[in-house]
Amino acid sequence: DADVTQTPRNRITKTGKRIMLECSQTKGHDRMYWYRQDPGLGLRLIYYSFDVKDINKGEISDGYSVSRQAQAKFSLSLESAIPNQTALYFCATSDSIYYEQYFGPGTRLTVT
Amino acid sequence: GEDVEQSLFLSVREGDSSVINCTYTDSSSTYLYWYKQEPGAGLQLLTYIFSNMDMKQDQRLTVLLNKKDKHLSLRIADTQTGDSAIYFCAESISSNYQLIWGAGTKLIIKP
Repeated sequence: DADVTQTPRNRITKTGKRIMLECSQTKGHDRMYWYRQDPGLGLRLIYYSFDVKDINKGEISDGYSVSRQAQAKFSLSLESAIPNQTALYFCATSDSIYYEQYFGPGTRLTVT
Repeated sequence: GEDVEQSLFLSVREGDSSVINCTYTDSSSTYLYWYKQEPGAGLQLLTYIFSNMDMKQDQRLTVLLNKKDKHLSLRIADTQTGDSAIYFCAESISSNYQLIWGAGTKLIIKP
């Protein structure tokens, strides 16, 4: 089984809808991250969490919110989706000592 | 602020060596990474180098680090079709536990 899983893998939604993307990990890592990937822009950090009680905004947090329900679960919400939030979203984890990040397979979100 | 730059595309012939380049701005980097993203998949760590090293070799992969010029390169020897992917350079900053990412270089293999 994959160490970092994301659901759903693909989602098409309409402008104005609320949507939640979920991430679960079995690596036992404290740190979890949400990124979005756009062609030619690389990865941009949306939110990150160093433990259940520590959540921080990243570079592009406007229009997004997160919830760290447990050490293993970190969800990303779009309260009112807009078309420019169409992107590939990745969840990642890392442990407390090393910087290496482990990625989920991604969620492709399309907002029409 | 911190920045990592890569060219967006590299095209090489099968069997040749590929050299993917990256420049970064933060001199306090502790580790520098190369990640590989295959089509439809997430990113996977390919290799990394600690900032006090100049070179690291791992089978077909050679990483060179020039700290003076803040330049990192990844050389893939005997490039194969399975090497087709997007390669991301990233640096870690000692002041926090985030990674600063380049935009990714798409490696295209010509037969």
